[in-house]
Order: sequence, then structure tokens, then C-alpha cells
Amino acid sequence: DVQLLESGGGLVQPGGSLSLSCAASGFTFRSYALNWVRQAPGKGLEWVSAIGNDGSTYYADSVKGRFTISRDNSRTTVFLQMTSLRAEDTALYYCTFGSSSGWAFDYWGLGTVVTVSS
Amino acid sequence: DIQMTQSPSSLSASVGDRVTITCRASQSISNYLNWYQQTPGKVPKLLISAASRLEGGVPSRFGGGGSGREFTLTISSLQPEDFATYYCQQSFSGASFGQGTKVQI
Repeated sequence: DVQLLESGGGLVQPGGSLSLSCAASGFTFRSYALNWVRQAPGKGLEWVSAIGNDGSTYYADSVKGRFTISRDNSRTTVFLQMTSLRAEDTALYYCTFGSSSGWAFDYWGLGTVVTVSS
Repeated sequence: DIQMTQSPSSLSASVGDRVTITCRASQSISNYLNWYQQTPGKVPKLLISAASRLEGGVPSRFGGGGSGREFTLTISSLQPEDFATYYCQQSFSGASFGQGTKVQI
């Protein structure tokens, strides 16, 4: 079975940094693009970042220059390094991917919570 | 970035009703449009991809249509388990979601 297990969330002060991980299993990790999608409390879904199977990276304008996505195919893990965090980055961060179309997300982890507050 | 706008933001309906949600893109996205359902406390579920392709296991009462800039999600006969929030998402250029439509009693 496909599994995506996010970790690394927590409480961080504004301006701080945090690194999220998503450990994947149950599929050929190196063949797929992986994404991060976030959901602020009581709000809608916001796509954050993607990394292709070739290592190409994509970011939402709201996080460009502050967040860095990377992957380690040997560990079947995708990472999201977040710096210069703001209160508006507070959200549940999901790891997700599309098994048929890279950008239609049919597999999701349960998410990890990031809270940016002083 | 491509902006996605859903209407309405919320709607009230009854079991058995036919419900239609509209999603408009700020530019043409061909058929690169996906629909998700999210119930409280749960992860989003992909219902429809490529504007009209029903994902496996999704009941046939769900239907998607449209192309270019305007798309619809229709639930032909609302069931109790369909009360949820629905999101459209464009996959033409990166990914962006609509703000969601809450379907409630």
C-alpha cells in the first residue's frame, strides 16, 4: 500500500526555520513528482511546492525564495526546508502525489502541523 | 499564477437534490482541471481528473464538465455522505486550488 508519512512540524517563532520530511513507501518513489500542499486552520487548500522525478522544482509565489524542496531517492523521502517563516505559514502541511497524472493528487499523507507564533 | 474562483462559496441543499458547483480559471487551462472532496478532519479525496474523468471508486452521481476557463462539478442526487467541501484545482501550470465550496444541509 502507498504510504506518505510527514514529520518535522512544530512551533516556531516568526523569522525562524523548520524542515519537514515525507517518508514514502509502497510505490516506485523515483518515478514520481512529489508535492507539498498546505491548509491553514479553517481555510482552503494551497499548493506550496513540487519536485519532479528529474529533480526540477516548482514553488508557489507565496513561498518562493523562502522554501526549498528536495528529495532523496535512496531514502524515498521528500523534504521541505522552510526559512523566514511568517504567521501566515501556519498550516497543516500535506505531502501528496499523483500516480496517473503528476498534478492530480490521488495519494495524500495525514499531514504535519506547523505553527508560526511568538 | 493562474487564479481559480469557485461559486458559490457555500450552498445549502437536501438529500436527493441536484447540485452544481462552478469553477472559473483566470486563463484558459484546456481540460487540466481536477476536483476534490474534503470532509472535516479528513484528507482531500480526488474525485475527478482531466475535467471529466471519474476516479476509481467514485460514485457515478458525480460528474464533471467544461474546458477552457469554465468548469462544473455536478452531483446528480445528493447523498448524506456528500456533505463536504469541494475544491477545484488547475494542473495546467503548476497547481492552484479554488477557495472551496461548502455543501451543507
